[in-house]
Amino acid sequence: EAQVTQNPRYLITVTGKKLTVTCSQNMNHEYMSWYRQDPGLGLRQIYYSMNVEVTDKGDVPEGYKVSRKEKRNFPLILESPSPNQTSLYFCASSPTGGTLNYGYTFGSGTRLTVV
Amino acid sequence: KQEVTQIPAALSVPEGENLVLNCSFTDSAIYNLQWFRQDPGKGLTSLLLIQSSQREQTSGRLNASLDKSSGRSTLYIAASQPGDSATYLCAVRPGGFKTIFGAGTRLFVKA
Repeated sequence: EAQVTQNPRYLITVTGKKLTVTCSQNMNHEYMSWYRQDPGLGLRQIYYSMNVEVTDKGDVPEGYKVSRKEKRNFPLILESPSPNQTSLYFCASSPTGGTLNYGYTFGSGTRLTVV
Repeated sequence: KQEVTQIPAALSVPEGENLVLNCSFTDSAIYNLQWFRQDPGKGLTSLLLIQSSQREQTSGRLNASLDKSSGRSTLYIAASQPGDSATYLCAVRPGGFKTIFGAGTRLFVKA
């Protein structure tokens, strides 16, 4: 089944303890992206990646890191999490095929709580 | 800067009613517009994708239209059912590789 898989689904952590949220897709998509969703603010883009070793900042990149060493994986790293990073996180992917005329497939989300 | 607005923020209708959800965007230079459904605490499920060159797309009881010149899209749901209760999000893909989401319309269909 074609899908985007995020792990973990739920995570509670303490301030300052480094964590990684994994994202993997099995559709050979070039483009991958991370979003956070907060009440009243909607979905905001954190980072995106056009292909292996090509990443760029979205609208809210502060406090996050990403890497794209393999096409299928796009982990989100929080080096020193803070309570304001408590949110629902989504990973998404799409093909590009040289154009932008493709839609997204989303993962099921990771609910992160930083205390 | 592209902004996407969805009105109304919330909607409650009786079962069986036909309804329209609205999405407006400020810059008509887009590659595509996508409608999603999100159930509480869950991920986003793609419903319909409209390319910039298209006027509408249909899937079952859903029909989405796109009017780029006026910066508007509508999602029409025919014969609504309680299972349609969810939040509906629209997203536009402007130039570059970013996507801008609306805040969503929360739909409740009463049995």
